Amino acid sequence: GQNIDQPTEMTATEGAIVQINCTYQTSGFNGLFWYQQHAGEAPTFLSYNVLDGLEEKGRFSSFLSRSKGYSYLLLKELQMKDSASYLCAVKDSNYQLIWGAGTKLIIKP
Amino acid sequence: IAGITQAPTSQILAAGRRMTLRCTQDMRHNAMYWYRQDLGLGLRLIHYSNTAGTTGKGEVPDGYSVSRANTDDFPLTLASAVPSQTSVYFCASSDGTGGTDTQYFGPGTRLTVL
Repeated sequence: GQNIDQPTEMTATEGAIVQINCTYQTSGFNGLFWYQQHAGEAPTFLSYNVLDGLEEKGRFSSFLSRSKGYSYLLLKELQMKDSASYLCAVKDSNYQLIWGAGTKLIIKP
Repeated sequence: IAGITQAPTSQILAAGRRMTLRCTQDMRHNAMYWYRQDLGLGLRLIHYSNTAGTTGKGEVPDGYSVSRANTDDFPLTLASAVPSQTSVYFCASSDGTGGTDTQYFGPGTRLTVL
């Protein structure tokens, strides 16, 4: 079967750095996405990785290792508005997105 | 430009009733999707459409039907609602031309079936 694993919940301090991990086992791989979802709102696109390595976009970076079936989202200089759920999704061999359950990130002052 | 709109925002429905959730996008995207999101589970694909006039089944299609008469609209119908269909429903769209093909989401419909 297809599986995306990410921690259920993480807590971090304002101004700090946090790394959210995602491991996957899917039938085929055509890219990995990270989305942010604030409570009661729609998911919004953060990043996309299809090749191994690090993609940096401002305070957010995303890393991919296809051989290990592993990705992480790195958030720097955390702000209170970063409190949200972070969703990892993999595009499989049918070009459909398989979603993890999301990681709820709690930022404390 | 609104992007993707969904209606209604929320709805309480008696079991056995028929319900259509509406989704409209103004981005001229080829592909559209319906997901449900339940606590503790990832988004699950119900149905999708790669282009106007075509539809396909996702991971959890039973009890739901869709149509894609034109590019902009992609309604989801529950023919006879059951309590297990209580969920938050998200419509999404993408340009469907390969590459990143990022999906963009509507605001969601919160449906409660009693």
